[in-house]
Formats: sequence, C-alpha cells, structure tokens
Amino acid sequence: NAGVTQTPKFQVLKTGQSMTLQCAQDMNHEYMSWYRQDPGMGLRLIHYSVGAGITDQGEVPNGYNVSRSTTEDFPLRLLSAAPSQTSVYFCASSYTGQGVTQYFGPGTRLLVL
Amino acid sequence: KNQVEQSPQSLIILEGKNCTLQCNYTVSPFSNLRWYKQDTGRGPVSLTIMTFSENTKSNGRYTATLDADTKQSSLHITASQLSDSASYICVVSARGSGNTGKLIFGQGTTLQVKP
Repeated sequence: NAGVTQTPKFQVLKTGQSMTLQCAQDMNHEYMSWYRQDPGMGLRLIHYSVGAGITDQGEVPNGYNVSRSTTEDFPLRLLSAAPSQTSVYFCASSYTGQGVTQYFGPGTRLLVL
Repeated sequence: KNQVEQSPQSLIILEGKNCTLQCNYTVSPFSNLRWYKQDTGRGPVSLTIMTFSENTKSNGRYTATLDADTKQSSLHITASQLSDSASYICVVSARGSGNTGKLIFGQGTTLQVKP
C-alpha cells in the first residue's frame, strides 16, 4: 500500500493564482480531511469528507474548496491564492468511528507571494 | 473552549536519556487522546490512542499515560535515540462531533536528541 499520497511536494504561487492540491489514499478509507499547519499553531482542519459525494467545512474553510467524487481522491482547491494561505498542507484519511487511527500524507509546502 | 496545551515547547536531551512530555487539555465531552510523532518535513504518525478507561499504553520505547480526572497526559520516552528527534503532538478528540469526533491539536513539543 502507498498509504496517503500528496502532490505536489512544494509549490510557489503568485497572489490571485489558483491551484489544486492532490490527495489520494489506497486503504479504502471513508473519512478524508485536509489540515494546514502553521508555525506555533496546532494543525487546523480545513475541510473533511465522510464518503464519496459528501463534504463539510472544518475550522478554517474560507478560500478553499473540496470535492469527493471517488473514495480514493480528495483534492483541495485554492480559488485565488493569498499570502495568508502560505502554509504546509496535510491530507489525512481513516476509517470512520471514534478512536480510529488517522494516516497523514507527507504534506505540500505552499508559498504564496 | 476546547484547548490542548503541551509542555515544554522544546527539549534537548542526550542520547540514551529518558524524557517526559506533558499534555493538558480542556476538551469536553472527551472521547480519546492521541500522541503523534512528526519528523521534520513529514506528516504526523500515530504513536498511541487512549480512551477514557485506559491509564497507560505503550508502543516500544514510548509510553503514554492518561489521567482523565485531572485531564493530563504524558508521553515518556525511554533510552532515547537520535531518531527520536521530532515534534510530538498531543491530540484530543471530542466525542459526538462527526464520524471521527472533533480533533483538537496541541502545538507540539520539539525534541532534539544529541549524541
């Protein structure tokens, strides 16, 4: 199993540009989520999905869109990048239920100029 | 307000020594508490998950304890190795919020093990 994969590993954008961060998992997990990690702060939930066709907002959803057309893929779209979106983005997946292990991807480091 | 606070913020120890990281939380209703290890430039990796009824759980040289009464947890690392250099993140799940609960992340403790 490849686990959770993310592409790209690093990206530089100009303010106003759009892009999609890719996330895929091969563990047949129902639950997938996106987090951002900023210095001095804990990971914060952006969006999550409990299955194909179902998405919901997390703690910091503004400026980001998601969709879940398949169980395996959960892309995160930045519609118009802003410097405040400079961060490291992590995708995670798990089975549903309380107390289950979440598996994180390696992260995408995004710099918005 | 649901919060998870970790201490110390950073720690330097010599290889072979033991250390203990602390986590205090104010999360309600409590579901479970997790410790993750995050190597530099990598995603977090789960070390332990403890529910309300569990006081201690081990994973190799890592031992986590939980006191649900005082809302405190600790992660003890025995006979540290250079590969233990990483950030250790305490995460508390609030019961009832969605399929996996609402996860509240601490800021992490950065551990550096020196030879």
